Amino acid sequence: GQQVMQIPQYQHVQEGEDFTTYCNSSTTLSNIQWYKQRPGGHPVFLIQLVKSGEVKKQKRLTFQFGEAKKNSSLHITATQTTDVGTYFCAGVKAGTALIFGKGTTLSVSS
Amino acid sequence: SQTIHQWPATLVQPVGSPLSLECTVEGTSNPNLYWYRQAAGRGLQLLFYSVGIGQISSEVPQNLSASRPQDRQFILSSKKLLLSDSGFYLCAWNTGTGKDTQYFGPGTRLTVL
Repeated sequence: GQQVMQIPQYQHVQEGEDFTTYCNSSTTLSNIQWYKQRPGGHPVFLIQLVKSGEVKKQKRLTFQFGEAKKNSSLHITATQTTDVGTYFCAGVKAGTALIFGKGTTLSVSS
Repeated sequence: SQTIHQWPATLVQPVGSPLSLECTVEGTSNPNLYWYRQAAGRGLQLLFYSVGIGQISSEVPQNLSASRPQDRQFILSSKKLLLSDSGFYLCAWNTGTGKDTQYFGPGTRLTVL
């Protein structure tokens, strides 16, 4: 079945370092969404990418959608302690529901 | 504005006991509704989704069941809990074709002892 793979599973960085998480799908996606879950909280929508090769920025966060619409990445520049949490990508599944990746958990030490 | 509620927030239940978790959405009509489970430190596992009253799709066969008695109410149940049912249960909703942004409830943290 359709899967969305996300790597790495865990990443620890020093505050100020950059961070990137990658999302890959076995099939072409019509769109991809990114969510952030703070420790103890629930996932919160960050952004949606729809177009091939699309790049969107939110302050220090840069989101990319691959040309083939099978992969995506989230890059955080100069991480801060407020960036800690688990970042999920989610692709559209044929039918109704989104398919979530397993997430990348980011920890940041100051 | 739309809001999503889940209760209870936390629950500790003995093995073999029944379960009923409730999710309600306000401020929208005919939403798609979802139940996810998240084991400690793990990703989101889709359990059930519903596109309308009485319509339930199961993603993973197990001892859980879901029901949608009203348009904006989604219930997750079990007749007999297992230890492996422990986890963080999240309800979510979206509109349209189901490809739209999902909005998650605050979750229920279930511990089965």
